[in-house]
Amino acid sequence: QVQLVESGGGVVQPGRSLRLSCAASGFTFSNSGMHWVRQAPGKGLEWVALIRYDGSNKYYADSVRGRFTISRDNSNNTLYLQMHSLGAEDTAVYFCARDHGRGIGVSWFFDLWGRGSMVTVSS
Amino acid sequence: DIVMTQSPDSLAVFLGERATINCKSSQSVLYNSNNENYLAWYQQKPGQPPKLLIYWASTRDSGVPDRFSGSGSGTDFTLTISSLQPEDVAVYYCQQYYRTPLTFGGGTKVEI
Repeated sequence: QVQLVESGGGVVQPGRSLRLSCAASGFTFSNSGMHWVRQAPGKGLEWVALIRYDGSNKYYADSVRGRFTISRDNSNNTLYLQMHSLGAEDTAVYFCARDHGRGIGVSWFFDLWGRGSMVTVSS
Repeated sequence: DIVMTQSPDSLAVFLGERATINCKSSQSVLYNSNNENYLAWYQQKPGQPPKLLIYWASTRDSGVPDRFSGSGSGTDFTLTISSLQPEDVAVYYCQQYYRTPLTFGGGTKVEI
């Protein structure tokens, strides 16, 4: 079954850190670029980051650059998002999403989404 | 950043009738070298993640019913649902992938 399953969300105090994971199955994870996209409660979608299929390049939204790090473990079919210095503005459902491109090509749109992991930043 | 503006914010359509959603980008997303518009549409039902409907402005993703169609070029785009079905109740988003940061429209809620 082709799917993405996020985990690691929860309630965290402002200024603290959290790491999200995304387990992939049913497709060749190591051949796919992967993204994180977030959605604040009742709001629209915001792209967060992309990592290429082999981890060679990473791209970030300005709102998270320097605080968040995207990474992947192709041997375990897992995507990560390490988040530091969290603030209330980071409260959102975080989706991992597969890029439509394969291998060296990146399409920059999303053809498979996980169900998301909720991150709440609150004291 | 490329700003994506959708209209209307919401619309109510009778079953079997046409729904039309507009999306306007603050700059052209047409790449002249390949004549492709870097524009996608997604459907998000309540409590679910988004689902890809259309990319390259008018190419339906695999399994998407043909009542969904995309059109437009440059800065103005339209998603049309030709005959609204109950399962089409959702919020629809456009997204440009012409350049980073990738940006989405604010969403259009479609109701019966």
